Amino acid sequence: DVKVTQSSRYLVKRTGEKVFLECVQDMDHENMFWYRQDPGLGLRLIYFSYDVKMKEKGDIPEGYSVSREKKERFSLILESASTNQTSMYLCASSSRWTENNEQFFGPGTRLTVL
Amino acid sequence: AQSVSQHNHHVILSEAASLELGCNYSYGGTVNLFWYVQYPGQHLQLLLKYFSGDPLVKGIKGFEAEFIKSKFSFNLRKPSVQWSDTAEYFCAVTPRGGYQKVTFGTGTKLQVIP
Repeated sequence: DVKVTQSSRYLVKRTGEKVFLECVQDMDHENMFWYRQDPGLGLRLIYFSYDVKMKEKGDIPEGYSVSREKKERFSLILESASTNQTSMYLCASSSRWTENNEQFFGPGTRLTVL
Repeated sequence: AQSVSQHNHHVILSEAASLELGCNYSYGGTVNLFWYVQYPGQHLQLLLKYFSGDPLVKGIKGFEAEFIKSKFSFNLRKPSVQWSDTAEYFCAVTPRGGYQKVTFGTGTKLQVIP
């Protein structure tokens, strides 16, 4: 079974803090993704990476950065957390080499910024 | 860029009722289509997918979806819902090939009343 794990299920931070969200997958997938999920807005793509050290902006990259130093790990960084970044953050991975490019999701991190 | 529209935001059904959730996408090329489900407190998981072949695809737990290319639609159906189908359902689309950026709809919350 593909396993995608995220470092925390719940996180509470203060405005202005630097926040790191970590994601690890164990299926040797090339592609990794960070989404945020908000009620009524569905999943919105923040950043994705299709290889080590490669990254592409998604639909809402402002206020976020990412790092992919190893194939299995994809980190989302909030340089200076703000209250409007309170959300559920989902990490996903997929293989570049399958035709159907199904994504496998982690359990999510619910981040609250006070 | 592709986009996805889910028409129903919140659906309430009684057990044994039939279900149809609408999904329309816009994209000029060939696509892969997905329905994902998120049960309360659980990971987002794949319900079914279409990438080629028979446009009527069957997924887990008795769900099916039909890809109608001329209508750019991929509606989800189930002939008889159960209380355990209470969940949020997301339609998603990705262009075939490339770096596989997936676009999700805003989701439909299904509540099944016993």
